[in-house]
This record gives sequence, C-alpha cells and structure tokens, in this order.
Amino acid sequence: NAGVTQTPKFQVLKTGQSMTLQCAQDMNHEYMSWYRQDPGMGLRLIHYSVGAGITDQGEVPNGYNVSRSTTEDFPLRLLSAAPSQTSVYFCASSTGLAGADTQYFGPGTRLTVL
Amino acid sequence: ELKVEQNPLFLSMQEGKNYTIYCNYSTTSDRLYWYRQDPGKSLESLFVLLSNGAVKQEGRLMASLDTKARLSTLHITAAVHDLSATYFCAGDKIIFGKGTRLHILP
Repeated sequence: NAGVTQTPKFQVLKTGQSMTLQCAQDMNHEYMSWYRQDPGMGLRLIHYSVGAGITDQGEVPNGYNVSRSTTEDFPLRLLSAAPSQTSVYFCASSTGLAGADTQYFGPGTRLTVL
Repeated sequence: ELKVEQNPLFLSMQEGKNYTIYCNYSTTSDRLYWYRQDPGKSLESLFVLLSNGAVKQEGRLMASLDTKARLSTLHITAAVHDLSATYFCAGDKIIFGKGTRLHILP
C-alpha cells in the first residue's frame, strides 16, 4: 500500500492563480481531511469528508473548495491564491471518526504564494 | 466549538529526566489523539484515547485521558535525544492543539 499520497510536494503560485492539490489513499478509508500548518499555529482543519459525495467545512474553509467523487481521492482547490495561503498542506485519512481510528497523514505539500 | 490547548509550547529538558505535556480541551470530546512530528516531516500517530481513564504506553511515552477534567497528558520517562520532536494533541474531528516542541539535550 502506498498509504496517503499528495502531489505536488512543492508549488509556487502568483497571487490570483488557481490550482488543485491532489490527495489519494489506497486504504479504502471513508474519512479524509485537509489541514494547513503554519508556524506556531499547529494544524488547522480546512475541509473534511466522511465518504464519497459528502464534504463539510472545518475551521478555516474560506478560499478553498473540495469534492469527493471517489473514496480514494480528495482534491483541494485554491480558487484565487493569496499570500495568506502560503503554508504546508497535509491530507489525512482514517477509517472513520468512530472507534480507535488512527489517522494517516500524507507527506505534505509546501505552497508559496507570491 | 472545540478548542484544544497544549502546554508548554516549548520544552527543553535533559536526557534522563521525566516530564509531562498537558492537553486541555474546551468541550466534550469522545476521543483524544496524540501525534508526533519531526522537523520537515509529516505527522505520525502515537495514541488514540477513547474513554475516561484510558492509559496507553509505548516505550518511554505514556498518554492518559481524564474526560471529566477535559485533560490528557503525555508523560515522558527518562527522556532520550530521539524523542526530540513536536507533539500534538487533537480532539474530535481532529481539531489540533498548537503543539509542544520538545528539545532533549544530551
């Protein structure tokens, strides 16, 4: 199993550009989520999904869109990039919120918006 | 809305010493998670605590949960340099604390 994969690893955007961060998992996990990590802020939940076709907002959803058309993929779209979106983005998955569920994190995407 | 607070945020300690990291949360949370992150790396799950009084141990790390006090602790016994990392706790919907950066001096 590859686990949770994210692409790209690094990305530089100009203000106003749009892009999609890719996340995929091969563990048949229902629950997937996106976080951003900024220095001194810990990880903040952007969006999450409890299964294909179901998404919901987290703590900091503004400026981001998600969709979940398959169990495996959970892309994160930046609609119009802003310097405040410079961050490291992590995708995670788990079997669900119930039970002793371990979250598996991807390697992260380091995004810089100029 | 769940808020998770960790303290201390920074901790420098000597090898061989014991210490505890505290994680307080603001509202009822069905579970509590602990993660480790090495610099420039992703997060690794350490413990999932599901019920009041739950205690889990792995090597020199032991985590416990008191749901009545809304408190979880991560205790480090006889610290070694390899435990230097940032440790995060998280509650329901995986809402994270800001992390505790632990630096263990040889």
